[in-house]
Amino acid sequence: KNEVEQSPQNLTAQEGEFITINCSYSVGISALHWLQQHPGGGIVSLFMLSSGKKKHGRLIATINIQEKHSSLHITASHPRDSAVYICAVMGGKGETSGSRLTFGEGTQLTVNP
Amino acid sequence: DSGVTQTPKHLITATGQRVTLRCSPRSGDLSVYWYQQSLDQGLQFLIQYYNGEERAKGNILERFSAQQFPDLHSELNLSSLELGDSALYFCASSVERASTDTQYFGPGTRLTVL
Repeated sequence: KNEVEQSPQNLTAQEGEFITINCSYSVGISALHWLQQHPGGGIVSLFMLSSGKKKHGRLIATINIQEKHSSLHITASHPRDSAVYICAVMGGKGETSGSRLTFGEGTQLTVNP
Repeated sequence: DSGVTQTPKHLITATGQRVTLRCSPRSGDLSVYWYQQSLDQGLQFLIQYYNGEERAKGNILERFSAQQFPDLHSELNLSSLELGDSALYFCASSVERASTDTQYFGPGTRLTVL
């Protein structure tokens, strides 16, 4: 079992739909990242969470530390949101694991016009 | 634009060869991270440097090595290349070594080993 699991692996939506991508992890963490990777390959950090909820434009990310679960929501989805969304966790306490990211396999999102 | 630069963008080489990938972090960032993204393994952490010193090591092969120079740029050296080393190599940087810092990713270097 991977330390970080995402679902779904693939998601196709119509423009305007509300989208949810889920991430579950099995290790203690200090923070969780949501990353976006466009077809060209570049990676952009969308959010970093250690508790609660963050919002940026149409994107909302939540984390439940007790349940070891995070969700990324996209409201009013648009074709330009089409990308791979990757959940990554930063290790818990301890020098050697603290800063490294462990990645989920990613969710390929396609938003059709 | 994240402020992290990587060169070259693309690299095509042959098995057995040695290559060097270069990364310049964002101005003021002291930590540099290297990641490998291959088709079969996904994104994996390779190594982290903080202010010139190695801080953490991940799934980095013995054929690979890295260093961070006094001006904080970093190089990842890959030697005795194999077909399986073909991947996207990303560098990321952050301000300090705390585990809750945002990491900013470079555009990546696409390595193709023929």
